Amino acid sequence: QSALTQPRSVSGSPGQTVTISCTGTSSDVGRYDYVSWYQQHPGKAPKLVIYEVIKRPSGVPDRFSGSKSGITASLTIAGLQAEDEADYYCCSYAGSFPYVFGTGTKVAVL
Amino acid sequence: QVQLQESGPGLVKPSETLSLTCTVSGGSVTNSYWSWIRQPPGKGLEWLGYIYYGGDTKYNPSLKSRVTMSVDTSKNLFSLKLTSVTAADTAVYYCAKIDVWGSFWDYWGQGTLVTVSS
Repeated sequence: QSALTQPRSVSGSPGQTVTISCTGTSSDVGRYDYVSWYQQHPGKAPKLVIYEVIKRPSGVPDRFSGSKSGITASLTIAGLQAEDEADYYCCSYAGSFPYVFGTGTKVAVL
Repeated sequence: QVQLQESGPGLVKPSETLSLTCTVSGGSVTNSYWSWIRQPPGKGLEWLGYIYYGGDTKYNPSLKSRVTMSVDTSKNLFSLKLTSVTAADTAVYYCAKIDVWGSFWDYWGQGTLVTVSS
């Protein structure tokens, strides 16, 4: 099972909107609506920010949103803030495997 | 609020067995599925496997037969054993709780760095 493909880095100025893509296959992202996204600050554990493609856990700002089209899922951060600077990982359920992570994206706030 | 805490040796010699435990507080280890996930320094996340106290387990095939997970309900914890370790197993190891539908991890431990070196 290969890792999901994410851009190595994205950046934006405070207040801007950035989108991170997560490309898989018809066996994972394309088959299941079980894509989750995790935010990880340096030296910290990952934190869930989106689950089941579009759902946001309690306490996560509504600036974070998720979507999916075909084999590509996306995480959008609107109104970028300094504290959003972190690494972001997508993850998809993949049936028999059953979990595959993305390669990770570093979000930089300029 | 579930809390998870990993514990175990921070240094393991090559070819030996890596052993970690994850103590669960604020909830029962019998109520959920539990996972181990690792992250080599500067690299991405890798799912190692999951376990349910009733014995249901599933491991990452890439680890072949080196990994074993178990649950101790009397101590409210679950464990990871990884045999025949090499430098490639050096990583921060996280324990995490899987949500009720099995599609994401909603609680994570802080992680523990295990270095494989002689």
